[in-house]
Amino acid sequence: DVKVTQSSRYLVKRTGEKVFLECVQDMDHENMFWYRQDPGLGLRLIYFSYDVKMKEKGDIPEGYSVSREKKERFSLILESASTNQTSMYLCASRAGTGSSPLHFGNGTRLTVT
Amino acid sequence: ELKVEQNPLFLSMQEGKNYTIYCNYSTTSDRLYWYRQDPGKSLESLFVLLSNGAVKQEGRLMASLDTKARLSTLHITAAVHDLSATYFCAVTPIRGAQKLVFGQGTRLTINP
Repeated sequence: DVKVTQSSRYLVKRTGEKVFLECVQDMDHENMFWYRQDPGLGLRLIYFSYDVKMKEKGDIPEGYSVSREKKERFSLILESASTNQTSMYLCASRAGTGSSPLHFGNGTRLTVT
Repeated sequence: ELKVEQNPLFLSMQEGKNYTIYCNYSTTSDRLYWYRQDPGKSLESLFVLLSNGAVKQEGRLMASLDTKARLSTLHITAAVHDLSATYFCAVTPIRGAQKLVFGQGTRLTINP
């Protein structure tokens, strides 16, 4: 079974802090994703990566950056956290084939005060 | 820009009844995914539909895809309480693209 592990289940940060969310997958997947989930809005894609050091913006990249130095690890960075970034963040990975589903981590609930 | 819309967004039903969740999308795609999310948990893959007319079934859930109508349905037969969850559909915009665009989710509550 694919395992996608997010380092924190809950985080509370202050406005203006730099925040790192970490994600590790153990199935050698090429593709990794960061989504945020908000009530009534479903999941919205922030960034994704299709290879080491490669990244593409998703639908809502503003205020975020990412890092993928190793194939198994994909980090989401909030350069200066704001209250409107309070959300559930979900990491996912996927094999390189076009039809395989995403495998999700358990999520990190981030609160910015 | 690909948009994915589900309806209804909230559904409360009695055990034993049948119902259908609809997923419409705005641009051409032939890959559609259904996920389930339990409260406080992450998303679990249910079905992958890869071609027009595809139908998949697992227990009391059946999913189908009509690419010409840009519509997928998730049909629940003789609902049981354990199926209470939020269900998401997701679509890949074009062949070869890696990202999935999700609908808003349908929160399903099944009452005994």
